[in-house]
Amino acid sequence: GDSVTQMEGPVTLSEEAFLTINCTYTATGYPSLFWYVQYPGEGLQLLLKATKADDKGSNKGFEATYRKETTSFHLEKGSVQVSDSAVYFCALKIPLSGGSYIPTFGRGTSLIVHP
Amino acid sequence: DAGITQSPRHKVTETGTPVTLRCHQTENHRYMYWYRQDPGHGLRLIHYSYGVKDTDKGEVSDGYSVSRSKTEDFLLTLESATSSQTSVYFCAISGGLAGVYEQYFGPGTRLTVT
Repeated sequence: GDSVTQMEGPVTLSEEAFLTINCTYTATGYPSLFWYVQYPGEGLQLLLKATKADDKGSNKGFEATYRKETTSFHLEKGSVQVSDSAVYFCALKIPLSGGSYIPTFGRGTSLIVHP
Repeated sequence: DAGITQSPRHKVTETGTPVTLRCHQTENHRYMYWYRQDPGHGLRLIHYSYGVKDTDKGEVSDGYSVSRSKTEDFLLTLESATSSQTSVYFCAISGGLAGVYEQYFGPGTRLTVT
């Protein structure tokens, strides 16, 4: 079945450090890929997405590139802020015409940014 | 922000009592989902709906039932609450045109079963 593997956390960084959170996937079809962020006490919210190979999703300084050859969708940010402290979830979804409308989520990676 | 509300936001209940959580959307999205989130387990799908009166089980559906009598409301019922159902419950929606679309999540309901 489909699956998403994220690096284990917590990831602890100092403010202005470079961030990478690894995400790899296995899928039977041609998925779309997502990163969601969950701030303390809130629900998940979409951070960025990519729907086809070599697409780059970006938002709020975060980026991720859909790499079909390595089945990866790593999240990066050049300079993190304390306000980026949150839990980040990688997810995939097979387009409706090709299969399930149930997304598959990774376990989440906690990011802690210190001043 | 997508219009999703959950009620109640917090609830404490006793073991053995029935509990109903409500998810309400104003986006007219077709799909609705109930998840629970527990430390060390990430998000786990309980039930989902792909239309009015059309529902199906997720990976952790035992002890839960759902109903969707209209597009905007998706109810989750714990038939007889147990301490293992203490969790944070999230509703999500997705929809729009056929194809790929992301999910929008509600703010969550924190349920404590004593």
